[in-house]
Parts: sequence; C-alpha cells; structure tokens
Amino acid sequence: QKEVEQDPGPLSVPEGAIVSLNCTYSNSAFQYFMWYRQYSRKGPELLMYTYSSGNKEDGRFTAQVDKSSKYISLFIRDSQPSDSATYLCAMSGGASGNTGKLIFGQGTTLQVKP
Amino acid sequence: DAGITQSPRHKVTETGTPVTLRCHQTENHRYMYWYRQDPGHGLRLIHYSYGVKDTDKGEVSDGYSVSRSKTEDFLLTLESATSSQTSVYFCAISESGQGREQYFGPGTRLTVT
Repeated sequence: QKEVEQDPGPLSVPEGAIVSLNCTYSNSAFQYFMWYRQYSRKGPELLMYTYSSGNKEDGRFTAQVDKSSKYISLFIRDSQPSDSATYLCAMSGGASGNTGKLIFGQGTTLQVKP
Repeated sequence: DAGITQSPRHKVTETGTPVTLRCHQTENHRYMYWYRQDPGHGLRLIHYSYGVKDTDKGEVSDGYSVSRSKTEDFLLTLESATSSQTSVYFCAISESGQGREQYFGPGTRLTVT
C-alpha cells in the first residue's frame, strides 16, 4: 500500500464549477501538506502548503487537512479552463526528519471545459 | 521556475552508456533533490543533498549516483543506463529542510534505447 493515495482521474468539470481534489495517507507523522499543479510537459508548481491540520485559502484555492482522518483536500472555486492540469499532493515530515523529502500522490488530471 | 535550470532538457541514449544530468540554481538554497516521474508512480525521490558534498539516498537510488561540489550545482549520474531509467527527471530546491516550499525545475526527458 502506498503511503499517499490519490485518484488519478481524469476529472472533467464545466467552467465555473467547484472542484474537489483529495488525497489520503497512512503515515500519521506527516506534518506538512503541499499541493502542486503541473501542466503538460512542465515542472510541478507549488500552489500552497499547510502545516498540520486546518484550512488555508489563497484566492480561488482552499486547502484543508484533517489529520484525524488522514485526509487532505484542495478546493478550486469558479474553475477556469486554465486550471486544466495535473494536481499533485505531497507530504513531508515525520520519519523523513529535517531533510525535506516529499512523498507524492500519483496526481489527479483535471479538465475544465469552457 | 524559481531560478532552476536543468540540462540537457531532452536526451536519447543507448543502454549501457553513462549519462549525467545537471541541475543549476541561482537561489543559493541549501537543499537540492532529484526526482523521477513515471506514469502510475508519480514523483519519487532518487537522491538529495543537504549541503555541499553532503548527499543521501532516496526511495529509488539504485543505479544512480550524485555529486554536489558547489552550492549551485547538483549532478545526477546514471552509471550504466538501462531502459527502466527512461523517465522524466526533475530537480528541486528548498531553503528549508522541512519539505515546505520546495521548487521544481523544468525537467529532463531521458529515453534509454
């Protein structure tokens, strides 16, 4: 079983929809939770990170962490065609200590249709 | 791409040949990482560095070696390339060793025939 699980999709939504992307994990020691966006044939781009549990908002994007359920989410409001990309969750901390090693989910491919 | 360049961007090589990929940063960050990305596996850590001449193995380090003689450069070497090393390779940098704010380069697409 992978430490981080993420449904690869693809997920297709109409423009303007609210998108919910999720990851589950098994290592309760993870402390930092990141979301990356990756366009085709590009490097991953950090969207936001959250420390421990709680919510964090940045414009149309909201990240949520529920450590009790080992579940994290990324919500995208008013989705745009430019949001079409692969979204990767990543986690760090715990046994990896202060080395910054990231454990990634497989990524979810999102398509926002005009 | 946060001051990170990778070279070459594309490479085709034959099985058994040595290959070196270069990551160069202009941010003066302490930590540097090499990941590979494959369908169905996501991104997996190969090796990382926590300072000049300080490196350690990641999840999928077999068949790879690294070197870091300067803060700005982190080299990944495939000693004898195999077809299973066909992948997209990403370098990442971070000022912190906590995993937050890790920034990625544009990637190198390597094909081993």
